This record gives sequence, C-alpha cells and structure tokens, in this order.
Amino acid sequence: DVKVTQSSRYLVKRTGEKVFLECVQDMDHENMFWYRQDPGLGLRLIYFSYDVKMKEKGDIPEGYSVSREKKERFSLILESASTNQTSMYLCASSSRDQPQHFGDGTRLSIL
Amino acid sequence: SQQGEEDPQALSIQEGENATMNCSYKTSINNLQWYRQNSGRGLVHLILIRSNEREKHSGRLRVTLDTSKKSSSLLITASRAADTASYFCATPAPNAGKSTFGDGTTLTVKP
Repeated sequence: DVKVTQSSRYLVKRTGEKVFLECVQDMDHENMFWYRQDPGLGLRLIYFSYDVKMKEKGDIPEGYSVSREKKERFSLILESASTNQTSMYLCASSSRDQPQHFGDGTRLSIL
Repeated sequence: SQQGEEDPQALSIQEGENATMNCSYKTSINNLQWYRQNSGRGLVHLILIRSNEREKHSGRLRVTLDTSKKSSSLLITASRAADTASYFCATPAPNAGKSTFGDGTTLTVKP
C-alpha cells in the first residue's frame, strides 16, 4: 500500500532553532510537496519538488527551505524558527497530475 | 492564493441525511479531485473526476462536474457519524503535479 511517512507527529522547538521536518514516500513519485495548514486558512503550499534536486517556491516560502537529495525523501527546513511558524505541516507526493498521497502531518509548536 | 472554493464552509446534518458540498475553481483542468481529512490527520483522496466526465459514483459518494460553470459537487448519501470530517476539492495544473486546494467544507454528522 502507498505510504508517505513524516518523521514526527508532534514536535516542540524553541524560537531561533533550526528545525528539520522529514518526509519519505515509497511510491517512486516524482512530485513531493510541503504544506502548512492553519485554522481558517486551508492548505497553503510552501515548496514543492518535481524531481531530485529540483525545487520550486509555493505560495508562502518565506522562512523555509527544502532539500531533495534522493527521490524518496523531501525535507523542510525552518532556518530560524519563529512563533508564527507554529502550525500543522503536511507532506504529500504524487505522480504527474494524479491524486496526492499525504502523510499524517506534523504538529509543530514553536515556543 | 487559493483558487478553489468550497461551499458551504460548514455543514451539520443528522445521520441518514444526504450531504452536498460544492466547489468552484477558476482555471482549465484535466481532472478534479476530492479529499477527506479527519481531525488532526492528513488528507485522503476520495474520488477523481476527469474533465470529460459529468458524473462519477463510488459507493455512497457521487461527484458531478460542470466545466462550463467551473464547478463540482460532492454528494454523500445516507450519511453516518463516521463521515464527520473536512472535505476538500483540488484542481491539479494540467500535466503538472501542483494542485490548488479549496478551503474545505467541515461536515458534522450527528448520530
């Protein structure tokens, strides 16, 4: 069965820390995505990648970076965490324009 | 910015009733996808309807698509308490992986 695995379900970090969120998919999908989801704001795309070492900015890339060194892994990096980055982070993968498969999410709190 | 819009934002019904959610979009599409999200979890793909289809069924789900009006609807028949969730429509860019998600409809089914 298809699986997208996010490294942590819950994470608590401090302001100013560098934070890594990891996502792994086992479907050989070329596309991978990072979203954040906040109440009343829906899903907002942070970054996506359509191939290894390729990345494109989404709607809200500020304060984030990504890394895709291997096809199955897509990492989201908060360079210097701030309290306004407290959110639910969702990773997804897909092939071409087919449905996206999502991980269970990481609820990140920045104190 | 989100181009997909679901209507209504929230819907509360009794078990056994039907639930209808609507989605409008702005760009041309190859397909439109509906997802479900249980509280605190990732999104799960429910059904995909292609641009040349007008209606599609899957179990208790019925999806319609009107490309002339750029709108789609999701009907859940004979609802159950377990259908309580948020429902999102998504429109992938043609021949690409990036999708635009609506803000979602939160459905509550009372037992």
